Amino acid sequence: ETGVTQSPTHLIKTRGQQVTLRCSSQSGHNTVSWYQQALGQGPQFIFQYYREEENGRGNFPPRFSGLQFPNYSSELNVNALELDDSALYLCASSLTGNDNSPLHFGNGTRLTVT
Amino acid sequence: DQQVKQNSPSLSVQEGRISILNCDYTNSMFDYFLWYKKYPAEGPTFLISISSIKDKNEDGRFTVFLNKSAKHLSLHIVPSQPGDSAVYFCAANYFGNEKLTFGTGTRLTIIP
Repeated sequence: ETGVTQSPTHLIKTRGQQVTLRCSSQSGHNTVSWYQQALGQGPQFIFQYYREEENGRGNFPPRFSGLQFPNYSSELNVNALELDDSALYLCASSLTGNDNSPLHFGNGTRLTVT
Repeated sequence: DQQVKQNSPSLSVQEGRISILNCDYTNSMFDYFLWYKKYPAEGPTFLISISSIKDKNEDGRFTVFLNKSAKHLSLHIVPSQPGDSAVYFCAANYFGNEKLTFGTGTRLTIIP
């Protein structure tokens, strides 16, 4: 069973730039969620994708966008990067339709914005 | 608005003793609660969960207790082992909601 994989592991960008983070879901899972974890905080929900469509969104501005592909992998795109976007970005997959299926997280992408 | 709160940022426990991690929530709609464990440079790993129809769930050394009237849950680890040293996150959800709401975490250190 292949777990959730994320790339890259680390990334440094400059304020105003754009970034794309990638995630491959665990085999058999059809739903991908993205979370942002700032230093000293718990993960915060950004959005979820199911059947290639956004299926719920947290309190994040539109410059945070995403995609899900037919193979259930996903991308998180952030435009016009700000210093406060520096965080660990976590991707999690699950099986929608399976009540209370826990999220399985990848190891995250550490984004630093300077 | 912090709907899930872990008021102890850190906890140190002697090896072999019981570790008790606490979590409080404010949203009455929450009906499903989870604990995740996180090591440095890794993503959170699911540990144990409990539905609001229960007040206790056990899995090996890990037991979660839920007190709905107090909006409080706790995770008991017994006996504590050095490999349990990690950050523990409490999370909550409700049926039909796609997002997990996490607490800020408690760093548990097991002293050999």
